[in-house]
Amino acid sequence: EVQLVESGGGLVKPGGSLRLSCAASGFTFSSYSMNWVRQAPGKGLEWVSSISSSSSYIYYADSVKGRFTISRDNAKNSLYLQMNSLRAEDTAVYYCARDLRMAAAGTLGGYWGQGTLVTVSS
Amino acid sequence: QSALTQPASVSGSPGQSITISCTGTSSDVGGYNYVSWYQQHPGKAPKLMIYDVSNRPSGVSNRFSGSKSGNTASLTISGLQAEDEADYYCSSYTSSSTVSYVFGTGTKVTVL
Repeated sequence: EVQLVESGGGLVKPGGSLRLSCAASGFTFSSYSMNWVRQAPGKGLEWVSSISSSSSYIYYADSVKGRFTISRDNAKNSLYLQMNSLRAEDTAVYYCARDLRMAAAGTLGGYWGQGTLVTVSS
Repeated sequence: QSALTQPASVSGSPGQSITISCTGTSSDVGGYNYVSWYQQHPGKAPKLMIYDVSNRPSGVSNRFSGSKSGNTASLTISGLQAEDEADYYCSSYTSSSTVSYVFGTGTKVTVL
């Protein structure tokens, strides 16, 4: 069974940093692209970042480019999101999501974690 | 990276069919057959219901179907059931600025 478990969320002051983690199990982690998607309270889904299986390709939404860094450790079956220079508008539940298919783009949300809440407030 | 446009709400009675539209551009919905639909119940993670415009993942009811015409994709729920009441989001692969994904604005489905 595919499982994705996020951690690392919490309360942080504007301008601060936070590192989210996503522990994956139940599939060959190193074969799939992974993604971060966020959802502000009461709002819709927003794609944040994607990373290919070997970390060769990395993409960011314009809203986080230059502030967030996605990475992965295939040996530890883990995905990360380093978030710097956090702003109030970054407050959201952050979901880790696995591509539906191996080596084929197009569907970023084959499987989802339960999400971790990040609150940016003074 | 503008969000795809969906109606804010759609409602129907049990047993009826409803359709949710998702309008984008030739850089996303119209340019790729990579439209997905997600169902999200309150407080829960999204669940994939349709991928590649019209394909259903294993375990998803055949009451859910997808289609696309030009820059607009659609999700149809037939035989509406109480459990279908949820938020629905479309998503598309896009190459508008960089390779990425874009989500729709979301549609609240209410079963009357």
